[in-house]
Amino acid sequence: AQKITQTQPGMFVQEKEAVTLDCTYDTSDQSYGLFWYKQPSSGEMIFLIYQGSYDEQNATEGRYSLNFQKARKSANLVISASQLGDSAMYFCAMREGFTGNQFYFGTGTSLTVIP
Amino acid sequence: SQTIHQWPATLVQPVGSPLSLECTVEGTSNPNLYWYRQAAGRGLQLLFYSVGIGQISSEVPQNLSASRPQDRQFILSSKKLLLSDSGFYLCAWSVRLAGGPTVTDTQYFGPGTRLTVL
Repeated sequence: AQKITQTQPGMFVQEKEAVTLDCTYDTSDQSYGLFWYKQPSSGEMIFLIYQGSYDEQNATEGRYSLNFQKARKSANLVISASQLGDSAMYFCAMREGFTGNQFYFGTGTSLTVIP
Repeated sequence: SQTIHQWPATLVQPVGSPLSLECTVEGTSNPNLYWYRQAAGRGLQLLFYSVGIGQISSEVPQNLSASRPQDRQFILSSKKLLLSDSGFYLCAWSVRLAGGPTVTDTQYFGPGTRLTVL
């Protein structure tokens, strides 16, 4: 089974609007971490936000917030007030418990911000 | 602050030729280091990771190898490239804690090397 599933290959959002990028995960570990990365056309992977499995509050970093629903095993990224520079690929990733250095990445969602 | 460098940025190589990609990290000591490959339009595949000099773990058997000759240097190599080796290669680092990896260890990526094998 896929560890990380991103079901939206492509998304469009109007500039200044909010957008939600979906991510579901699969793990039997109680302790895990969830990450979102942004990959612009230049290729570099930029770390955006982190959520720990024991964190009771949703993580926020500026315009990025993570809608963490543990029972549903979902960790959706919400980008508020979209900007043209937000157009990029977005990857959800997970690190499980203490099983080593494995990061599991989803297949990504391509976000296009429309002026 | 920490920075991670990769070179070359782009590379075009014929099938059967050797490969050497280099990654170096500045501003931190004893990092965990990682090599990933990203095929066109796909997610990232972990190839190798290293928790110290000379310590390499392979995640996917293939014709690639990795070495860590110095604390902050990570090299990806191949003796003979295949067409299927084409892709975008990313190096990443994370803080190495005394107690081993934890779920909070964020990985920070370099700018990547785009490899085309013809």
